Amino acid sequence: KAGVTQTPRYLIKTRGQQVTLSCSPISGHRSVSWYQQTPGQGLQFLFEYFSETQRNKGNFPGRFSGRQFSNSRSEMNVSTLELGDSALYLCASREPADTQYFGPGTRLTVL
Amino acid sequence: TQLLEQSPQFLSIQEGENLTVYCNSSSVFSSLQWYRQEPGEGPVLLVTVVTGGEVKKLKRLTFQFGDARKDSSLHITAAQPGDTGLYLCAGDGLSNTGKLIFGQGTTLQVKP
Repeated sequence: KAGVTQTPRYLIKTRGQQVTLSCSPISGHRSVSWYQQTPGQGLQFLFEYFSETQRNKGNFPGRFSGRQFSNSRSEMNVSTLELGDSALYLCASREPADTQYFGPGTRLTVL
Repeated sequence: TQLLEQSPQFLSIQEGENLTVYCNSSSVFSSLQWYRQEPGEGPVLLVTVVTGGEVKKLKRLTFQFGDARKDSSLHITAAQPGDTGLYLCAGDGLSNTGKLIFGQGTTLQVKP
C-alpha cells in the first residue's frame, strides 16, 4: 500500500495570508490526525477527523481548521498566518483503534 | 492533562556503545508507540506496545512497556552510526481518540 502523502512539501507565506495543506491517507484508513511540530514545543495534536467528522481537537486557536472528504482525504487551513505558525505540519492516518502512520510533512515558513 | 517525560533529550555516543531512552508518565496509556524521525521527514513507526510488561525486540532495539502502562523504555545494543536520529515516544490515551501525546524526543548521535 502507498503511504500517507502530503502536499505541498514546502510552502513559504507571509504574515496575514492563509494556507491550505492536503493529506491523503493510506488506502482504507478513515481516520486522519494533524500535528504541528516545532523545535520549542515538539509535536502537538491539532485535530482528528473520522468519516468527515471532527472527533477531537487540540489547544490551538480557531485560525486552525480542517475538514475531511468522503474519500478520507483531509485538508487543514490556517488563516491570518503569524510568524509562530512556522512549523512542520504532519498528518497521520490509521484504522480505528490502530497505530498512526505519518506522512512526510509540509514545511511551512511564514515571513 | 496527560504528559510524557522523555529522557535524555540529547545523547552522543561512540559506535558500539549501548544506550537506553526512557519515557515516563503519571497517566495510563492504552498503547505506546516509538517512532524515529529524520530531519525534514515524518516520524516512522518502530513499534507499538499494548500489554503491560510487554517486551518487543527489533534487531538491536528492545522496547519495554511498564507493568502499569505508564512508562516505556527503548534500549539499543551496540549502536551504529545508522541509528542516528530523533527518537519519539507517543502514548495513546485510554479513550483511543486519535490524539497521541508525544514526549519531547531524544536526539541520538552515534559517532563512528
